[in-house]
Amino acid sequence: SAVISQKPSRDICQRGTSLTIQCQVDSQVTMMFWYRQQPGQSLTLIATANQGSEATYESGFVIDKFPISRPNLTFSTLTVSNMSPEDSSIYLCSVDAGTGRRGYTFGSGTRLTVV
Amino acid sequence: DAKTTQPTSMDCAEGRAANLPCNHSTISGNEYVYWYRQIHSQGPQYIIHGLKNNETNEMASLIITEDRKSSTLILPHATLRDTAVYYCIVTKETSGSRLTFGEGTQLTVNP
Repeated sequence: SAVISQKPSRDICQRGTSLTIQCQVDSQVTMMFWYRQQPGQSLTLIATANQGSEATYESGFVIDKFPISRPNLTFSTLTVSNMSPEDSSIYLCSVDAGTGRRGYTFGSGTRLTVV
Repeated sequence: DAKTTQPTSMDCAEGRAANLPCNHSTISGNEYVYWYRQIHSQGPQYIIHGLKNNETNEMASLIITEDRKSSTLILPHATLRDTAVYYCIVTKETSGSRLTFGEGTQLTVNP
């Protein structure tokens, strides 16, 4: 199955700044998914990113706040813009494991703290 | 996607079988039952999935009732490293299908 490298693994940021999270996959994948996991809560899908097209955002998430790039079939970035303490969460990327029968593979996540 | 209901938490003794239930009474005929787990500070990990037949792999067994309205994940010999949040998710098995995570079950394996 696919192997995902996600960077940074953690960061502490000042409010009002932006952070870009990178997700690198060791194989070509059509769709990449970005999730948010707020403290003590489950995962919530932010958006789905296809190569060559704009990301599709879930209800409650907007492109101005979470711009996503997908320049090729192995890489994507998620930016958390104009951060506030409420953005403190773990952000994870995910891809289809490749066979369609082994579920999805997740990165190890980026733990973001906004102060 | 169909909604799932799981107990908030469960305990299990090390070496014993852990049986984690999941209700998915509104599941559609073309939806699969997937199980993932999330060990603290890690990304979720795929465990197993099935449509209507029972499934077994190196990690676990999945028992799906005949009416497909509920299922049970079985970890045959739980270890301390199996302590995690276990998520039961119902989704169509097509590439790019979205995963909707519920609250899951916090399984704690005790020595």
